[in-house]
Amino acid sequence: DTEVTQTPKHLVMGMTNKKSLKCEQHMGHRAMYWYKQKAKKPPELMFVYSYEKLSINESVPSRFSPECPNSSLLNLHLHALQPEDSALYLCASSHPLNTEAFFGQGTRLTVV
Amino acid sequence: GNSVTQMEGPVTLSEEAFLTINCTYTATGYPSLFWYVQYPGEGLQLLLKATKADDKGSNKGFEATYRKETTSFHLEKGSVQVSDSAVYFCALYSSASKIIFGSGTRLSIRP
Repeated sequence: DTEVTQTPKHLVMGMTNKKSLKCEQHMGHRAMYWYKQKAKKPPELMFVYSYEKLSINESVPSRFSPECPNSSLLNLHLHALQPEDSALYLCASSHPLNTEAFFGQGTRLTVV
Repeated sequence: GNSVTQMEGPVTLSEEAFLTINCTYTATGYPSLFWYVQYPGEGLQLLLKATKADDKGSNKGFEATYRKETTSFHLEKGSVQVSDSAVYFCALYSSASKIIFGSGTRLSIRP
């Protein structure tokens, strides 16, 4: 199994809503990532978890809250988002001894 | 700091044409280098990689060679197909557990 699975694929939420994005992998990877991608731009790193601990937070606003409940799961909790947060949110994972990352298909988020 | 620069797109070619997408990098040490591909409406797929100087990564007819002397990792394919139409990202893995992407090159192939 070389897949990173993200749910949901599409999400529309209001600015007062609370929602969560989910990511799952069963490759035994101990590093997991959240990226944000705007249209026609490269992915931008948001968070990195290493061995279930948050190791990098790229100065992301607190309305985005990551969580890593176990080595296979990664969540991104969303609250009070703005329309400019609309984007494709990508999850990725990698093995600590390898450098390549495997990406999920992404969640396309629209904030209305 | 570490950075990746790739050629501006879009690139439009006819089917069976030769493809080159240029990529150069700036980094300390010896980073791993990658090409990722993103098809419309999808996530990123790893296309190929190289982890040390003079390594050649290859997959699905695409190739790229890690050139330390020119700090380059150009993507090539001898004969492109319509199905190769996508956005291609050159990337490097920095020692800080970060993947740094280039700006992406949109490739369109005409039948």
